[in-house]
Amino acid sequence: GAVVSQHPSWVICKSGTSVKIECRSLDFQATTMFWYRQFPKQSLMLMATSNEGSKATYEQGVEKDKFLINHASLTLSTLTVTSAHPEDSSFYICSASTGQEMNTEAFFGQGTRLTVV
Amino acid sequence: GQQLNQSPQSMFIQEGEDVSMNCTSSSIFNTWLWYKQDPGEGPVLLIALYKAGELTSNGRLTAQFGITRKDSFLNISASIPSDVGIYFCAGQPGTASKLTFGTGTRLQVTL
Repeated sequence: GAVVSQHPSWVICKSGTSVKIECRSLDFQATTMFWYRQFPKQSLMLMATSNEGSKATYEQGVEKDKFLINHASLTLSTLTVTSAHPEDSSFYICSASTGQEMNTEAFFGQGTRLTVV
Repeated sequence: GQQLNQSPQSMFIQEGEDVSMNCTSSSIFNTWLWYKQDPGEGPVLLIALYKAGELTSNGRLTAQFGITRKDSFLNISASIPSDVGIYFCAGQPGTASKLTFGTGTRLQVTL
């Protein structure tokens, strides 16, 4: 299957700083990328959907000014957590899809564990 | 956000036993997907279902797309230790659209 790579795998940052997480599709062009957040022992919750070259669509309750998403190319999307606080500590997972065919599969990255201290 | 109801929440079984879990929704989905997630990793797709009533197998795994399009089940036969993990169902309303995940089933397999 197609490969989606996330970087970094884990990051620890101080409260008030910003953290950038990268999501790359390594062997296909991703028209659409999705960002999820997963708290311990909980399910994945969609944060936003990004299409290459356009503004991301955020889910209700997700602050777009806090979670900045950039999808500048067909192989890269970034999520920046601005002014991070301990409550932002979570497992962030991206997925990427070609988004052009019926029943298009979305491939998931390995996730990034963010710890804000 | 919306979540799908998945049951059971957790299961403790012995190696060799069969496992069944299901997922229900109040709304219709056009695609049902089943994923497995290992600790600290992203979910990995196990089976994708695209048609109501469809029954699909992948090795020891079998999944069905409910005829009402509001439910799905996953069976694992002859479980082995590496089946340990969290299993999530996910529904997709249309083509390449966002996924809604189930609440997850945590599977533990004992020798």
